[in-house]
Amino acid sequence: IAGITQAPTSQILAAGRRMTLRCTQDMRHNAMYWYRQDLGLGLRLIHYSNTAGTTGKGEVPDGYSVSRANTDDFPLTLASAVPSQTSVYFCASSVSVGTDTQYFGPGTRLTVL
Amino acid sequence: GQNIDQPTEMTATEGAIVQINCTYQTSGFNGLFWYQQHAGEAPTFLSYNVLDGLEEKGRFSSFLSRSKGYSYLLLKELQMKDSASYLCAVMDSNYQLIWGAGTKLIIKP
Repeated sequence: IAGITQAPTSQILAAGRRMTLRCTQDMRHNAMYWYRQDLGLGLRLIHYSNTAGTTGKGEVPDGYSVSRANTDDFPLTLASAVPSQTSVYFCASSVSVGTDTQYFGPGTRLTVL
Repeated sequence: GQNIDQPTEMTATEGAIVQINCTYQTSGFNGLFWYQQHAGEAPTFLSYNVLDGLEEKGRFSSFLSRSKGYSYLLLKELQMKDSASYLCAVMDSNYQLIWGAGTKLIIKP
C-alpha cells in the first residue's frame, strides 16, 4: 500500500452501536489526525496524535476516542453512535505536527440511524 | 472565535481565469493552506503560504496578506477537471488547521 488507507469505505449503523473506523499509513509520518466533514461546514478536527503513544483532543472530541499504539495505525472509535455522528470521516497524516502538509485518506461515509 | 470565510460557489468558463478569495480571523497564524477536493474524494494539497506575497505553481497561484487576513487562489487556463471544491485552511497558534467550508467551482464549456 502507499499513502493512507481507511476502512470501511461506508457503513450504516444503528444508534447505540459501537463502531471503529480504521486508518493506516505507510509513510512513517509521526502525526495523524481525524476529521469529520459535514455539508456546509469546514473540516473539523476530532482527535490528533503527534507521535505514537500520545493523543490529543481537537475541536469536536465528544463521543469519540482514539488510540495510537504504533506509528502506522490510528483507529477512531464511536462508543455508542448517535445520529448526529452521521458524517464523512477523514484520516490524515503529516511528517510532524506543525506546518507540514497533511495528506488525507479516502474517507469513510458513516450513517447512523 | 476563529473564522474562515470563502464564497460558497463560483462559476467560470473553460479557458478563463478565476480568483477564489479567503478571509480569516484566527488565534495566531502559522500559515495558510489551499486544498482541492473533487466530489466524493479526499482533499489534496495545492499550496502553502506563510509570508506575504504570491506563490506560483503552474496554472495555480496563491496570494497572502497577513495584515489584511486575506488570501486568494488564482486558477488560470481553466480546464473541466478543475471543477471541484477549494478549501482554505489556516494553521492557528496551536498548530491546528482551521478550515473554511469550501468554495465549489463549476466550470462551464
